[in-house]
Amino acid sequence: DQQVKQNSPSLSVQEGRISILNCDYTNSMFDYFLWYKKYPAEGPTFLISISSIKDKNEDGRFTVFLNKSAKHLSLHIVPSQPGDSAVYFCAATNRDDKIIFGKGTRLHILP
Amino acid sequence: EAQVTQNPRYLITVTGKKLTVTCSQNMNHEYMSWYRQDPGLGLRQIYYSMNVEVTDKGDVPEGYKVSRKEKRNFPLILESPSPNQTSLYFCASSPLSSGRAPVEQFFGPGTRLTVL
Repeated sequence: DQQVKQNSPSLSVQEGRISILNCDYTNSMFDYFLWYKKYPAEGPTFLISISSIKDKNEDGRFTVFLNKSAKHLSLHIVPSQPGDSAVYFCAATNRDDKIIFGKGTRLHILP
Repeated sequence: EAQVTQNPRYLITVTGKKLTVTCSQNMNHEYMSWYRQDPGLGLRQIYYSMNVEVTDKGDVPEGYKVSRKEKRNFPLILESPSPNQTSLYFCASSPLSSGRAPVEQFFGPGTRLTVL
């Protein structure tokens, strides 16, 4: 059973526009949600996180929104830049110390 | 430079031949973890360690072993590799925050393993 779901394998967005990446989860015990970015031939790098007690966290061009009632979170990137082209992983964790990742969404920023 | 290193970066081996992938971090992190990345499956946690001599299973531990004898090292051992363990493996480390699973992890560059 997939506890963290990223239903869009890929997404294409025009440079300068907003990119919205979505993530759904099933386990209501998750208390932290994370986004990681991955370029080819490199390890993932941490992007932004949000605690379950918040509904929004912002860091520069990146904002994560959490809707607990819908068990849904989204990552907004605005404005999108060519260097944002990468695979984005949503992840969640709770007090059992495991970290569950989604399958990832490949973001293409078009010139 | 603060980093997580993995060796080897690429490995081709045959079924049943024991192998070890090493992972080392120089950031004095308590938490270390191994993941595998497969097409269509994303990143899946194999094992993790909260500190020296403390290890626990992730989501896909079958066929793997780990040890944590020193804080900086967390080797991944495949006692009898099989073709379904062909994958891209990542090691990660993180400081603990309030004694719980980390939020921000630092990943190594990956080890591409092929088991024939």
